[in-house]
Amino acid sequence: GQQLNQSPQSMFIQEGEDVSMNCTSSSIFNTWLWYKQEPGEGPVLLIALYKAGELTSNGRLTAQFGITRKDSFLNISASIPSDVGIYFCAGPNSGTYKYIFGTGTRLKVLA
Amino acid sequence: GAGVSQSPSNKVTEKGKDVELRCDPISGHTALYWYRQSLGQGLEFLIYFQGNSAPDKSGLPSDRFSAERTGGSVSTLTIQRTQQEDSAVYLCASSLGPGDNEQFFGPGTRLTVL
Repeated sequence: GQQLNQSPQSMFIQEGEDVSMNCTSSSIFNTWLWYKQEPGEGPVLLIALYKAGELTSNGRLTAQFGITRKDSFLNISASIPSDVGIYFCAGPNSGTYKYIFGTGTRLKVLA
Repeated sequence: GAGVSQSPSNKVTEKGKDVELRCDPISGHTALYWYRQSLGQGLEFLIYFQGNSAPDKSGLPSDRFSAERTGGSVSTLTIQRTQQEDSAVYLCASSLGPGDNEQFFGPGTRLTVL
């Protein structure tokens, strides 16, 4: 079945630095979603992407839908301590409402 | 308005016992999802409801797992004869309808099977 691989698995960065992470698949996705999960909580949707090549921003977050439709990228600019959490990419399995989640990128921000 | 709520927040049980996990979705959301998240892992899709129907049960790991939804609202996930490998956080999410990609998640139920 479809799988989503994320890299890096974890990141330790200094406050104020920019962050980049990506998500790749062996098969095409028509929708890419980026979620953030904080400890003890469920994931929260950050950005949704619907079109190949699309670049969408949400505050300091910017995500891109790869042209091949097999990858997506999330960038966080000027990181702050509250950016700490696990970032997941996700998308619906082709033709279904079964959502596939990536393996996650764990972000830690050092003040 | 209230978000998605789940109960209990924590459940410790002995191997072989049955457990029921409850999810209260956001009012008016017709789509409801259950996921399992093992320690340090991503989310694994279990089942999806549209109204009271479950068109996709393909994610249920075994026949020990079942779920139902009544009145188009509350859902329960039942695990029979629990095993240690069932230990995980079980997350529920709801959305306005099928194809609405914004799923709102509850805080999860942490299940520990001893």
